Amino acid sequence: ETGVTQSPTHLIKTRGQQVTLRCSSQSGHNTVSWYQQALGQGPQFIFQYYREEENGRGNFPPRFSGLQFPNYSSELNVNALELDDSALYLCASSLGRAFDEQFFGPGTRLTVL
Amino acid sequence: QQQVKQSPQSLIVQKGGISIINCAYENTAFDYFPWYQQFPGKGPALLIAIRPDVSEKKEGRFTISFNKSAKQFSLHIMDSQPGDSATYFCAAIHTGTASKLTFGTGTRLQVTL
Repeated sequence: ETGVTQSPTHLIKTRGQQVTLRCSSQSGHNTVSWYQQALGQGPQFIFQYYREEENGRGNFPPRFSGLQFPNYSSELNVNALELDDSALYLCASSLGRAFDEQFFGPGTRLTVL
Repeated sequence: QQQVKQSPQSLIVQKGGISIINCAYENTAFDYFPWYQQFPGKGPALLIAIRPDVSEKKEGRFTISFNKSAKQFSLHIMDSQPGDSATYFCAAIHTGTASKLTFGTGTRLQVTL
Protein backbone atom coordinates (compact mmCIF):
# COMPACT_ATOMS: atom_id res chain seq x y z
CA GLU A 1 0.00 0.00 0.00
CA THR A 2 1.47 3.34 -1.10
CA GLY A 3 1.10 6.27 1.27
CA VAL A 4 0.36 9.90 0.44
CA THR A 5 3.15 11.56 -1.48
CA GLN A 6 3.68 15.25 -2.23
CA SER A 7 5.95 17.16 -4.56
CA PRO A 8 8.06 19.13 -4.47
CA THR A 9 9.47 18.85 -0.96
CA HIS A 10 10.63 22.45 -0.85
CA LEU A 11 9.92 25.45 -3.04
CA ILE A 12 11.06 29.06 -3.06
CA LYS A 13 9.05 31.69 -4.93
CA THR A 14 8.89 35.46 -5.01
CA ARG A 15 5.90 37.62 -4.23
CA GLY A 16 3.41 37.82 -7.08
CA GLN A 17 4.41 34.52 -8.65
CA GLN A 18 2.20 31.48 -9.07
CA VAL A 19 2.85 27.99 -7.67
CA THR A 20 1.48 24.49 -8.21
CA LEU A 21 1.82 21.79 -5.57
CA ARG A 22 1.04 18.15 -6.23
CA CYS A 23 -0.33 15.28 -4.20
CA SER A 24 -0.79 11.59 -4.89
CA SER A 25 -3.39 10.03 -2.65
CA GLN A 26 -3.05 6.73 -0.86
CA SER A 27 -4.05 3.73 -2.91
CA GLY A 28 -7.83 3.23 -2.85
CA HIS A 29 -8.62 6.73 -1.60
CA ASN A 30 -10.85 9.06 -3.63
CA THR A 31 -10.89 12.15 -1.41
CA VAL A 32 -8.12 14.69 -1.02
CA SER A 33 -7.97 17.56 1.48
CA TRP A 34 -5.43 20.38 1.51
CA TYR A 35 -4.24 22.19 4.61
CA GLN A 36 -1.91 25.14 5.20
CA GLN A 37 0.33 24.94 8.26
CA ALA A 38 2.08 28.18 9.16
CA LEU A 39 5.17 27.94 11.33
CA GLY A 40 4.23 27.13 14.91
CA GLN A 41 0.54 26.76 14.09
CA GLY A 42 -1.90 23.95 13.49
CA PRO A 43 -2.98 23.05 9.97
CA GLN A 44 -5.78 25.18 8.49
CA PHE A 45 -8.26 23.59 6.08
CA ILE A 46 -8.08 25.00 2.55
CA PHE A 47 -10.45 22.75 0.60
CA GLN A 48 -11.40 19.18 -0.13
CA TYR A 49 -11.99 17.31 -3.37
CA TYR A 50 -14.14 14.22 -3.75
CA ARG A 51 -14.18 12.45 -7.09
CA GLU A 52 -12.90 15.49 -8.94
CA GLU A 53 -15.38 17.96 -7.42
CA GLU A 54 -14.81 20.48 -4.64
CA ASN A 55 -16.48 19.22 -1.47
CA GLY A 56 -15.97 22.03 1.00
CA ARG A 57 -13.73 25.05 1.34
CA GLY A 58 -12.16 26.91 4.24
CA ASN A 59 -11.57 30.64 4.65
CA PHE A 60 -9.03 31.07 1.88
CA PRO A 61 -9.25 33.59 -0.99
CA PRO A 62 -10.05 32.52 -4.56
CA ARG A 63 -6.39 32.75 -5.55
CA PHE A 64 -6.12 29.36 -3.83
CA SER A 65 -7.57 26.85 -6.26
CA GLY A 66 -7.37 23.14 -6.78
CA LEU A 67 -7.94 20.22 -9.06
CA GLN A 68 -8.45 16.52 -8.63
CA PHE A 69 -7.71 14.18 -11.48
CA PRO A 70 -9.43 10.91 -12.51
CA ASN A 71 -6.70 8.94 -10.72
CA TYR A 72 -7.57 11.00 -7.58
CA SER A 73 -4.26 12.79 -7.45
CA SER A 74 -4.60 16.50 -6.82
CA GLU A 75 -3.03 19.90 -7.37
CA LEU A 76 -3.11 23.03 -5.27
CA ASN A 77 -2.54 26.26 -7.18
CA VAL A 78 -1.81 29.58 -5.56
CA ASN A 79 -1.76 32.75 -7.66
CA ALA A 80 -0.32 36.15 -6.81
CA LEU A 81 1.79 34.79 -3.97
CA GLU A 82 2.05 36.86 -0.81
CA LEU A 83 4.67 36.69 1.93
CA ASP A 84 2.05 35.23 4.32
CA ASP A 85 1.60 32.26 2.00
CA SER A 86 4.91 30.92 3.29
CA ALA A 87 3.93 27.70 5.06
CA LEU A 88 3.93 23.93 4.98
CA TYR A 89 1.18 22.71 2.66
CA LEU A 90 -0.24 19.36 3.64
CA CYS A 91 -2.30 17.01 1.58
CA ALA A 92 -4.44 14.33 3.21
CA SER A 93 -6.31 11.51 1.52
CA SER A 94 -9.30 9.55 2.71
CA LEU A 95 -12.03 7.31 1.41
CA GLY A 96 -15.48 8.55 0.62
CA ARG A 97 -17.47 11.76 0.73
CA ALA A 98 -18.47 11.32 4.34
CA PHE A 99 -16.04 11.47 7.21
CA ASP A 100 -13.18 8.99 7.19
CA GLU A 101 -9.71 8.96 8.69
CA GLN A 102 -7.38 11.29 6.81
CA PHE A 103 -3.83 10.18 6.05
CA PHE A 104 -1.38 13.04 5.66
CA GLY A 105 1.55 13.39 3.33
CA PRO A 106 4.88 14.90 4.43
CA GLY A 107 3.99 18.30 3.01
CA THR A 108 5.57 20.87 0.72
CA ARG A 109 7.47 23.69 2.38
CA LEU A 110 6.77 26.91 0.42
CA THR A 111 8.85 30.01 1.06
CA VAL A 112 7.76 33.29 -0.51
CA LEU A 113 10.41 36.00 -0.66
CA GLN B 1 -11.91 32.51 14.92
CA GLN B 2 -9.99 29.83 16.73
CA GLN B 3 -12.48 27.09 17.48
CA VAL B 4 -10.08 24.73 19.24
CA LYS B 5 -7.76 26.11 21.89
CA GLN B 6 -4.76 24.03 22.97
CA SER B 7 -2.37 24.33 25.89
CA PRO B 8 0.42 24.33 26.82
CA GLN B 9 2.38 25.55 23.82
CA SER B 10 5.40 23.53 24.94
CA LEU B 11 6.04 20.87 27.53
CA ILE B 12 9.16 19.27 28.98
CA VAL B 13 8.69 15.97 30.80
CA GLN B 14 11.20 13.56 32.26
CA LYS B 15 11.36 10.02 30.96
CA GLY B 16 8.76 7.93 32.72
CA GLY B 17 6.61 10.93 33.62
CA ILE B 18 3.09 11.82 32.54
CA SER B 19 2.54 14.32 29.74
CA ILE B 20 -0.80 16.15 29.76
CA ILE B 21 -2.09 18.33 26.94
CA ASN B 22 -5.41 20.13 27.13
CA CYS B 23 -7.86 21.34 24.53
CA ALA B 24 -11.13 23.24 24.59
CA TYR B 25 -13.62 23.67 21.78
CA GLU B 26 -16.47 26.05 21.07
CA ASN B 27 -18.54 24.46 18.34
CA THR B 28 -21.03 22.02 19.88
CA ALA B 29 -21.59 20.46 16.45
CA PHE B 30 -18.17 18.80 16.68
CA ASP B 31 -18.65 15.08 17.17
CA TYR B 32 -15.23 13.52 16.71
CA PHE B 33 -12.01 14.53 18.44
CA PRO B 34 -8.73 13.09 17.15
CA TRP B 35 -5.20 13.71 18.34
CA TYR B 36 -2.32 13.86 15.90
CA GLN B 37 1.41 13.41 16.39
CA GLN B 38 3.81 15.21 14.09
CA PHE B 39 7.55 14.66 13.85
CA PRO B 40 9.80 17.21 12.12
CA GLY B 41 9.63 16.88 8.36
CA LYS B 42 6.57 14.64 8.51
CA GLY B 43 2.85 15.13 8.17
CA PRO B 44 0.54 14.66 11.17
CA ALA B 45 -0.34 11.05 11.99
CA LEU B 46 -3.48 9.98 13.83
CA LEU B 47 -2.65 8.87 17.37
CA ILE B 48 -5.99 8.30 19.08
CA ALA B 49 -9.53 9.66 18.77
CA ILE B 50 -12.73 9.85 20.79
CA ARG B 51 -16.43 10.54 20.28
CA PRO B 52 -18.36 12.66 22.82
CA ASP B 53 -20.51 9.77 24.03
CA VAL B 54 -17.43 8.33 25.76
CA SER B 55 -15.65 10.00 28.68
CA GLU B 56 -12.35 8.20 28.31
CA LYS B 57 -10.48 6.15 25.76
CA LYS B 58 -7.20 4.37 26.30
CA GLU B 59 -4.81 2.90 23.77
CA GLY B 60 -1.56 1.66 25.24
CA ARG B 61 0.19 4.56 26.98
CA PHE B 62 -2.15 7.14 25.44
CA THR B 63 -5.45 8.16 27.05
CA ILE B 64 -8.02 10.76 26.01
CA SER B 65 -10.28 12.21 28.70
CA PHE B 66 -13.40 13.98 27.47
CA ASN B 67 -15.68 16.39 29.35
CA LYS B 68 -18.67 17.19 27.15
CA SER B 69 -20.31 19.68 29.53
CA ALA B 70 -17.11 21.69 29.83
CA LYS B 71 -16.29 21.26 26.12
CA GLN B 72 -12.81 20.13 27.02
CA PHE B 73 -10.66 17.13 26.24
CA SER B 74 -7.13 16.14 27.09
CA LEU B 75 -4.39 13.74 26.09
CA HIS B 76 -2.41 11.90 28.73
CA ILE B 77 0.81 10.13 27.78
CA MET B 78 1.81 7.73 30.51
CA ASP B 79 5.41 6.60 31.02
CA SER B 80 6.61 9.23 28.53
CA GLN B 81 9.59 8.17 26.42
CA PRO B 82 12.17 10.19 24.46
CA GLY B 83 10.64 8.76 21.28
CA ASP B 84 7.41 10.56 22.19
CA SER B 85 9.16 13.90 21.62
CA ALA B 86 7.09 15.50 18.88
CA THR B 87 4.40 18.12 18.32
CA TYR B 88 0.91 17.06 19.28
CA PHE B 89 -2.25 18.54 17.83
CA CYS B 90 -5.77 18.12 19.04
CA ALA B 91 -8.47 18.45 16.44
CA ALA B 92 -12.22 18.40 16.09
CA ILE B 93 -14.60 17.69 13.27
CA HIS B 94 -18.29 17.71 12.53
CA THR B 95 -18.58 14.41 10.69
CA GLY B 96 -21.84 15.43 9.02
CA THR B 97 -20.08 17.97 6.84
CA ALA B 98 -17.08 17.82 4.55
CA SER B 99 -14.20 16.26 6.42
CA LYS B 100 -12.77 19.57 7.59
CA LEU B 101 -10.52 19.01 10.57
CA THR B 102 -10.17 22.02 12.87
CA PHE B 103 -6.81 21.84 14.61
CA GLY B 104 -5.46 23.32 17.81
CA THR B 105 -2.23 25.30 17.70
CA GLY B 106 -0.06 22.40 18.80
CA THR B 107 2.06 21.40 21.80
CA ARG B 108 5.74 20.72 21.39
CA LEU B 109 6.62 17.89 23.77
CA GLN B 110 10.19 17.16 24.79
CA VAL B 111 10.87 14.08 26.90
CA THR B 112 14.24 14.24 28.61
CA LEU B 113 16.36 11.37 29.89
